[in-house]
Amino acid sequence: AQSVSQHNHHVILSEAASLELGCNYSYGGTVNLFWYVQYPGQHLQLLLKYFSGDPLVKGIKGFEAEFIKSKFSFNLRKPSVQWSDTAEYFCAVLNNAGNMLTFGGGTRLMVKP
Amino acid sequence: KAGVTQTPRYLIKTRGQQVTLSCSPISGHRSVSWYQQTPGQGLQFLFEYFSETQRNKGNFPGRFSGRQFSNSRSEMNVSTLELGDSALYLCASSLQGAPGYEQYFGPGTRLTVT
Repeated sequence: AQSVSQHNHHVILSEAASLELGCNYSYGGTVNLFWYVQYPGQHLQLLLKYFSGDPLVKGIKGFEAEFIKSKFSFNLRKPSVQWSDTAEYFCAVLNNAGNMLTFGGGTRLMVKP
Repeated sequence: KAGVTQTPRYLIKTRGQQVTLSCSPISGHRSVSWYQQTPGQGLQFLFEYFSETQRNKGNFPGRFSGRQFSNSRSEMNVSTLELGDSALYLCASSLQGAPGYEQYFGPGTRLTVT
């Protein structure tokens, strides 16, 4: 069975600080990995995705993530956060059939102005 | 292109009642998935439909059911509601519901069971 772990449940940063959110997955098949963001009162939005190829993927709003197969990790990074990045972030893995996402528990990020 | 839409957005029901939630996928998307989001359990997969067929089902009791129509619109039904069914129910659509295709989420239906 596939599983996703996000180690940081709550993160508080000041504006301009660098961000790294951890994500580890457990899955034996071909990995399709995602980071979604849920801003307060809004729906889940796709930040970035990894299907294959370059393990460093860039997403919207200056976010990037690196797929490290040997570590089963897909950590999310941003060099300089803004107050508007305050949200909950979810890492997810797609199953082999491509029809089910398994999500991590989420990380609540608060950015202080 | 319009996104995934869900109706109603908010719902209050009483224990023992049943409820039907509706989801309209992005135009052209054939796969529709449903997820339950709660503070305690996080985001959990309910089921997925493709071309009117349920292809995958999560670990939920039989009180949770769904269907998909020929225009790809989907409904999910919860019968004999329990307090623990209070949650945000999210619908997601995908072009093919296959590897290499991402899922796009709707705003959700907030169900409160009293």
